[in-house]
Amino acid sequence: EAGVVQSPRYKIIEKKQPVAFWCNPISGHNTLYWYLQNLGQGPELLIRYENEEAVDDSQLPKDRFSAERLKGVDSTLKIQPAELGDSAVYLCASRSGPSSYNEQFFGPGTRLTVL
Amino acid sequence: AQSVTQLDSQVPVFEEAPVELRCNYSSSVSVYLFWYVQYPNQGLQLLLKYLSGSTLVKGINGFEAEFNKSQTSFHLRKPSVHISDTAEYFCAVSARIIQGAQKLVFGQGTRLTINP
Repeated sequence: EAGVVQSPRYKIIEKKQPVAFWCNPISGHNTLYWYLQNLGQGPELLIRYENEEAVDDSQLPKDRFSAERLKGVDSTLKIQPAELGDSAVYLCASRSGPSSYNEQFFGPGTRLTVL
Repeated sequence: AQSVTQLDSQVPVFEEAPVELRCNYSSSVSVYLFWYVQYPNQGLQLLLKYLSGSTLVKGINGFEAEFNKSQTSFHLRKPSVHISDTAEYFCAVSARIIQGAQKLVFGQGTRLTINP
């Protein structure tokens, strides 16, 4: 079974430029998460999808961040425009079941560097 | 709301020595507890989880953790570590609810370094 796939793995951009990250969750996983992981910190939730519906986006900075999950499978997270402080690892995860005790499976992340 | 505190940011240990990584949580409701491991340049992988029942939980790679409700702790232990255990370890908590899913709240992480 393939794991959570993310691309690109690394991205370097200049500030004020746009950037997009892509995530393909494990087949059959209806719940998808985007997390932000700053250096030396634990992941922090940005947004959670149940199928194609964003059910928790309270931590997503909506002035510059946007996300979509068309057809309830793949998802894209976008930043426009990027700021220096956005340099971090962006993790995607998908859940194996509907409840909090079900395991979340994480992708390898996209490491973003904003210059 | 839930919060997690990992008391040690870095733990250096010699190979084959025992190790304990400490985790305390705060929550106004009952919780599920998790430990994840992150190897360099990889995503997080579940080590073990406490849902209910026995307070001693065994996970992969010889790790175990003990849930202590009175001390609101969930410390991770391994009796004898290996070089390959060098990684970042994250404790996480999720509210226990009957239906639906609550978000995972992670601690800051503990970097475990195994020295030969």
